[in-house]
Amino acid sequence: EVQLLESGGGLVQPGGSLRLSCAASGFSFTNYAMSWVRQAQGKGLDWVSGISGSGTSTYYADSVEGRFTISRDNSKNTLYLQMDSLRAEDTALYYCAKILSGSFEGGGAFDYWGQGTLVTVSP
Amino acid sequence: DIQMTQSPSSLSASVGDRVTITCRASQTIGNYLNWYQQKPGKAPKLLIYAASRLQSGVPSRFSGSGSGTDFTLTISSLQPEDFATYYCQQSYSTLRTFGQGTKVEIK
Repeated sequence: EVQLLESGGGLVQPGGSLRLSCAASGFSFTNYAMSWVRQAQGKGLDWVSGISGSGTSTYYADSVEGRFTISRDNSKNTLYLQMDSLRAEDTALYYCAKILSGSFEGGGAFDYWGQGTLVTVSP
Repeated sequence: DIQMTQSPSSLSASVGDRVTITCRASQTIGNYLNWYQQKPGKAPKLLIYAASRLQSGVPSRFSGSGSGTDFTLTISSLQPEDFATYYCQQSYSTLRTFGQGTKVEIK
């Protein structure tokens, strides 16, 4: 059974940093691209970032480019999102998601999602 | 970035109704269009990928169609468990984008 478990969320001041983790199990982690998606309270889904299975290719939404860094440790079956220079508008529930086809460049949908970890950016 | 526009933003329907939700892309995306269902307090669930392919375990009353810029999600006979918010997403670009969502409510 595929499981994705996010952690690392919390309350942080504007300008601060936070690192999210997503522990994966139940599939061959290294063979699948992964992604982060966020959702502000009462709002829609907002794609944040994606990474290839090997970790060599990364992709970012314009809103987080230069502030967030996605990475993965395939030996630990874990996905990360390093968030720096946080802003109030980054406040959201952050989900990690697995790519159906394995390849991010190949147009894969997000077939499994974690339950999310809440990030609150406030003074 | 590719913009995705869903319509309507919300709709009210009764159990047994046929429901159609549309999604339009700001540029052609082939069949790289996916549909998700989200219930309150839950993570999104993949329903349809590649415009018309039913994800494993999803009931056959859900179907998707379209290509290029215009796409449709149809629920052939709405069930009580289908009241939720539905999102389209393009996977043509490595900069993925979602539609704003369509909330399906009980009439």
